[in-house]
Amino acid sequence: QKEVEQNSGPLSVPEGAIASLNCTYSDRGSQSFFWYRQYSGKSPELIMFIYSNGDKEDGRFTAQLNKASQYVSLLIRDSQPSDSATYLCAVKAGAGSYQLTFGKGTKLSVIP
Amino acid sequence: DVKVTQSSRYLVKRTGEKVFLECVQDMDHENMFWYRQDPGLGLRLIYFSYDVKMKEKGDIPEGYSVSREKKERFSLILESASTNQTSMYLCASRPTGREDTQYFGPGTRLTVL
Repeated sequence: QKEVEQNSGPLSVPEGAIASLNCTYSDRGSQSFFWYRQYSGKSPELIMFIYSNGDKEDGRFTAQLNKASQYVSLLIRDSQPSDSATYLCAVKAGAGSYQLTFGKGTKLSVIP
Repeated sequence: DVKVTQSSRYLVKRTGEKVFLECVQDMDHENMFWYRQDPGLGLRLIYFSYDVKMKEKGDIPEGYSVSREKKERFSLILESASTNQTSMYLCASRPTGREDTQYFGPGTRLTVL
């Protein structure tokens, strides 16, 4: 059974701080990694994806991947109250796989 | 803009009823997915389809079936609804080979009494 683990939170950070969200996965063959943001009462929206070891930056967001440690993280710099949401980590296995396996999500609260 | 629509935002049904949840996407995506989301359990895949008339079981297919007669439409069917199927149901679609462009519909909150 492929598993994706996240700390459920809530994670509270003050406005302007860096929020760090973490995710581990069990399938060593996983090749694609995604971060979704889900506001309360809304559906998930994709905000970051990463395929290679290292960092990938997009605006205030940085995704970090370490395949050897089976670990992926999302950093949100200069956190804003509008970043308050649940963040879902999703992992896809190798070529030929259609399925994304989601973690249960980490709830982030950014305190003004 | 990709648009994934679901037939109902809220639905209330009785135990034993047959329930149809409809999902339509307007971007000619090959792949469509049905998930359910429950507190503490996260997002779980029920079924997916990678082409018309093709379907594959996800992690929790028991009690559900699906139909994909047209590329743009993917239906989830609860043959005999039970209270443990009360949940938020989310449909998603994406083109083949483009996992970075998976879009979700707004969801249907189904309550089975």
